[in-house]
Amino acid sequence: AQSVTQLGSHVSVSEGALVLLRCNYSSSVPPYLFWYVQYPNQGLQLLLKYTSAATLVKGINGFEAEFKKSETSFHLTKPSAHMSDAAEYFCAVSEGNRGSTLGRLYFGRGTQLTVWP
Amino acid sequence: KAGVTQTPRYLIKTRGQQVTLSCSPISGHRSVSWYQQTPGQGLQFLFEYFSETQRNKGNFPGRFSGRQFSNSRSEMNVSTLELGDSALYLCASSPEAGGGGAFFGQGTRLTVV
Repeated sequence: AQSVTQLGSHVSVSEGALVLLRCNYSSSVPPYLFWYVQYPNQGLQLLLKYTSAATLVKGINGFEAEFKKSETSFHLTKPSAHMSDAAEYFCAVSEGNRGSTLGRLYFGRGTQLTVWP
Repeated sequence: KAGVTQTPRYLIKTRGQQVTLSCSPISGHRSVSWYQQTPGQGLQFLFEYFSETQRNKGNFPGRFSGRQFSNSRSEMNVSTLELGDSALYLCASSPEAGGGGAFFGQGTRLTVV
């Protein structure tokens, strides 16, 4: 069984400060890992994905994440926060259906990011 | 390329009624999944369809069902609605290779009164 833990349901940073959102996962096989962002009354937007290529993954809007197998972590970072980054962020994992479809995504409970001016 | 389209965006139904939600995936995507999002339970997987076949199913009662058509469009149905079914229902489409990720629609906000 897979699971995702996001440490910290709320994170607050000042504009221009480093953003660090933590995600740890459990998976019995090499996983696919994703970060999504959700703005109020919207669906989920894919920020970035890890699919067993480079361990440092760059995404949209200046975000990046590093896959660390030894720590079973996939933390999301951004060097300098912007007011527009305020949203809820979800980490997700999937084992995939052995090379075919994506299969079920297991989501963390989300981290609400607040950016102060 | 158009994104995932879900209709309707908002829906109010009465307990005991049934409801059908629709999802049109990104062109070329043959895999469609459905998720329920609530404040209490977070994001929960309902089911995944590929080429008109259900590939995976989450832990939901039989009142929740879905189907996929030959053009990859999908519908989900909830019968005998309960107050607890009030949620944001999200549809996602994926390219055939799993690592491509899932691309979500705006969701359908269902309120059961």
